Amino acid sequence: AQSVTQLGSHVSVSEGALVLLRCNYSSSVPPYLFWYVQYPNQGLQLLLKYTSAATLVKGINGFEAEFKKSETSFHLTKPSAHMSDAAEYFCAVSDRGNTDKLIFGTGTRLQVFP
Amino acid sequence: DTAVSQTPKYLVTQMGNDKSIKCEQNLGHDTMYWYKQDSKKFLKIMFSYNNKELIINETVPNRFSPKSPDKAHLNLHINSLELGDSAVYFCASSPGDRDSPLHFGNGTRLTVT
Repeated sequence: AQSVTQLGSHVSVSEGALVLLRCNYSSSVPPYLFWYVQYPNQGLQLLLKYTSAATLVKGINGFEAEFKKSETSFHLTKPSAHMSDAAEYFCAVSDRGNTDKLIFGTGTRLQVFP
Repeated sequence: DTAVSQTPKYLVTQMGNDKSIKCEQNLGHDTMYWYKQDSKKFLKIMFSYNNKELIINETVPNRFSPKSPDKAHLNLHINSLELGDSAVYFCASSPGDRDSPLHFGNGTRLTVT
């Protein structure tokens, strides 16, 4: 069964610092992987997705993620954090060989300090 | 011009009551979903419909009954509400392709007292 693990339920960075949010996946077939962001009292918005084209995926708001098959990882990074990046971030995996449901990780809350 | 809209945004009710949450999408998507987000922010799929047909039912108590009158609408009816049903319920839609992202509504916060 497919699953994702997000290491660290909370991450705090200073404004301007590097953001690194970790996601490891488990899948018996090459997965589709997604990162979503959730701002307070809102639904989830897609940041970026990996679907087996380029392993380095660029998303919105300056975020990017790199798919590393050898490490089964899909970590999310941003070179310089902005106060507006404070939100909850979810990694998700979609099973290519089955129905199109998304399995979400437990989320990482990103706090950005001035 | 909201893509996926849910009503109501907040729902406070007592145990034992029956309530419904409505969802509509104007994206022309074939597939719609209900997800439940608990107090720890964990998101779990409940149901998925493709063109009005149920395709995913994830061991949800049968007090929860989704209804899809057409492919643009997916409503969630909950009977005999329990304290543990308190959560945020998200509707989502997608074209149905496995690499297509989900488009989420803003959620309905259900509080059962």
